[in-house]
Amino acid sequence: QLVLTQSPSASASLGASVKLTCTLSSGHSSYVIAWHQQQPEKGPRYLMKLNSDGSHSKGDGIPDRFSGSSSGAERYLTISSLQSEDEADYYCQTWGTGMMVFGGGTKLTVL
Amino acid sequence: EVQLVESGGGLVQPGGSLRLSCAASGFTFSSYSMNWVRQAPGKGLEWVSYISSSSSLIYYADSVKGRFTISRDNAKNSLSLQMNSLRDEDTAVYYCARGITGGTLLHYWGQGTLVTVSS
Repeated sequence: QLVLTQSPSASASLGASVKLTCTLSSGHSSYVIAWHQQQPEKGPRYLMKLNSDGSHSKGDGIPDRFSGSSSGAERYLTISSLQSEDEADYYCQTWGTGMMVFGGGTKLTVL
Repeated sequence: EVQLVESGGGLVQPGGSLRLSCAASGFTFSSYSMNWVRQAPGKGLEWVSYISSSSSLIYYADSVKGRFTISRDNAKNSLSLQMNSLRDEDTAVYYCARGITGGTLLHYWGQGTLVTVSS
């Protein structure tokens, strides 16, 4: 069964970096995913598509501070030089056979 | 600029029906798959339904199968979701979302419309 697992919460200081993780379930380590950001009281926004080899393509206007990488079944979103507006929920998403799957989301707090 | 504007949300009683619409602009609507995704209050994102660019492929989440119907009108750049036999647990903000070029990942999102199922 295709499942995406994310830690419920993460925190980092203003100006620091943080690495969020999305883990694909067993047997699905080659899957491409997307990362989405949802700021408080707003709709989601596409950040990037992330391939299993770590190559990624970002959405329009997404700052260079956002990058993606991969290792096995892990897909990462790294945010550097954290700003207050990066405080948000981050979701990974993929597509299985006839169904779309979301991770549970990670709530990022900028200290 | 890609724009997706949902409408049709509101308050409905359990067992009732509601039809959501999504008006698309800024891209060639007929070339892209579309989806509905919902978010219950305080919860994460939940996929609801997918429709391919030509309507030849349609999928539903198990939670709505048999109750919801997705459709599109490529001539009117419009996506719809007919929701019947609504339950309390269908209460959520419903988002219209466009697929990525040549794929099924989501790329653009609307601002959402709130559906409240309550007596």
